[in-house]
Formats: sequence, structure tokens, C-alpha cells
Amino acid sequence: GDSVTQMEGPVTLSEEAFLTINCTYTATGYPSLFWYVQYPGEGLQLLLKATKADDKGSNKGFEATYRKETTSFHLEKGSVQVSDSAVYFCALSDSGGYQKVTFGTGTKLQVIP
Amino acid sequence: DAGVIQSPRHEVTEMGQEVTLRCKPISGHNSLFWYRQTMMRGLELLIYFNNNVPIDDSGMPEDRFSAKMPNASFSTLKIQPSEPRDSAVYFCASSRDSSNQPQHFGDGTRLSIL
Repeated sequence: GDSVTQMEGPVTLSEEAFLTINCTYTATGYPSLFWYVQYPGEGLQLLLKATKADDKGSNKGFEATYRKETTSFHLEKGSVQVSDSAVYFCALSDSGGYQKVTFGTGTKLQVIP
Repeated sequence: DAGVIQSPRHEVTEMGQEVTLRCKPISGHNSLFWYRQTMMRGLELLIYFNNNVPIDDSGMPEDRFSAKMPNASFSTLKIQPSEPRDSAVYFCASSRDSSNQPQHFGDGTRLSIL
């Protein structure tokens, strides 16, 4: 079945540091890939997505590239801010069947001033 | 556009009581999902509907849990009787019917069973 593996947290960075959160996946077919972000007390929000190989999703300074050869979708940001502190979820939606999404376990990011 | 609306935002009740959580999906979305989130188990899919029909309820933990979607704009998740281990944040999400469309989440219901 489908699965998503992302790096264990928490990740603690200083403001303006470079961020990478690793994500790899297993899926049949050609999944769409997503990163969601969850701020304290809120639901998950879509951060970015990519729907086919070599696509790059980007939003709010975050980027992730759909790498089919390595089955990866790593999240990066060049300079994090305190306001980026949140939990980040990698997810996939398989191309077949209904729109069911498989989520990773989430990676907590804490950015300190 | 209004997002996914869940009610109540917080619920505190004693074990054995019936609990009903409500969700209004985004208009035009035909897939609806109920999730449970805890520190121990993370985010778990409980059930999802497509065009108001339950498609997969394999994540529903036990017969005490039931979910309905009587129409395209309303869904309920019911726990009867409730137990302390049901304490969690319950999220509803909706999406359009396509694999490349994201899910839109409500702000959740924080449920505490005493």
C-alpha cells in the first residue's frame, strides 16, 4: 500500500537558517504530492503541491521538487523565520480510486530568535 | 469562500455520554474525511465519503463510532458511549473529486472525555 516517511522531529533552528525536511514515499501509479502545515490550535493547511515528476511546488519561500527516481519530495526553505514554527506533514494522493490522502507522521519545526 | 466549518470547537463530557461532532464541508466539494489526531498515534483517517456515500470506514476504531452524511453540506461523527481514550482532536476535511486536489481542513473539535 501507499506510505509516506518523513524525518523525525523536532527540528530546532535559529532564525535565518536553512531548512530541509526529508520525505520519501511508496505508491503505485503516479501520485500527487503535498506538504501541509499545521499551526498550534489549527487544522492542516496546504503549503504546496506537485502533481507530476520534476514539478516544483513553492509557496511562502518554501519549495519541494517531485523526484520520481528517488521517490522523494523534500521540503526546503532558504531562511526560516520564527513564524514558520509549526508541524509539517508530507502527503500523497494516489492517482487511482477516490481522493484519499496518505499522510506522514509530521515533523515539528521550532525556530528560535 | 467559507472554509470547512466544524462544531463545537471544544467539548468536555463525562464518560458514557453520547458525543456528536458536526461538519459543514466547502460547497462544491464531494469528498469528505474525518480524522482523529493524538500525540500517541498522530493523524488517523477514520472514514471518508464520496458523494455522501461512505467509501472506507476501516479506520473507525469500534462500533461505538458512527458517521453519517445525510446531504452534501453536512456530516456528523457520533461516539456512543464515549470513553476517556476517545479524547483527541477530531478534524473534518473536504476536497474536490480529483487526486491532485488538496484537502481543506476545519479547525477541529478538541474532545475531552472525563
